[in-house]
Amino acid sequence: AQSVAQPEDQVNVAEGNPLTVKCTYSVSGNPYLFWYVQYPNRGLQFLLKYITGDNLVKGSYGFEAEFNKSQTSFHLKKPSALVSDSALYFCAVRDIRFLGGGSQGNLIFGKGTKLSVKP
Amino acid sequence: EAQVTQNPRYLITVTGKKLTVTCSQNMNHEYMSWYRQDPGLGLRQIYYSMNVEVTDKGDVPEGYKVSRKEKRNFPLILESPSPNQTSLYFCASSLMGTQYFGPGTRLLVL
Repeated sequence: AQSVAQPEDQVNVAEGNPLTVKCTYSVSGNPYLFWYVQYPNRGLQFLLKYITGDNLVKGSYGFEAEFNKSQTSFHLKKPSALVSDSALYFCAVRDIRFLGGGSQGNLIFGKGTKLSVKP
Repeated sequence: EAQVTQNPRYLITVTGKKLTVTCSQNMNHEYMSWYRQDPGLGLRQIYYSMNVEVTDKGDVPEGYKVSRKEKRNFPLILESPSPNQTSLYFCASSLMGTQYFGPGTRLLVL
């Protein structure tokens, strides 16, 4: 069965320090992986995605993620955290039960990790 | 501005009173979807639509209906809401697998 796991409910980081938000996945075949961010009282915003190619993917707001096939991980990283990065972060994988056509939009989301960046 | 809009943003209702949450996107996306977000459970898909007049169940469809008569609109209908449908609801449209979310509708069913 396909799944996405975010092992940490919350990550606390001091401003200026590097941050990592962890994500592991379980899928058959090649995964399409995504990170989304949710600020308070807002909808989810797309940060970045991995489909193929370079294992290091760069996204919005200075975030990047590293795809590691052997460890089935797709951790989100940022070299220097900002207080404004405090939000809820979701990892997601494309649901391969639905292949082709418009159904490629179906995603399976992790339960989310709350990132708190303190001044 | 490319966006997904939802209305209303907040709604308090009583058990059994039919309601509709509207969703509209201006990006000409064929794919649209509804999710509910609950603490500790993340986002769970309710229904999705691959195109006009094509809809299918997601992981938690019970108690919900949808329709897709036009490409831009994808309303979520609760025929007889119950308290366990109290949640935060998100509509999304998708292009090439990347989903674009609306601002959310917070629903309280008493």
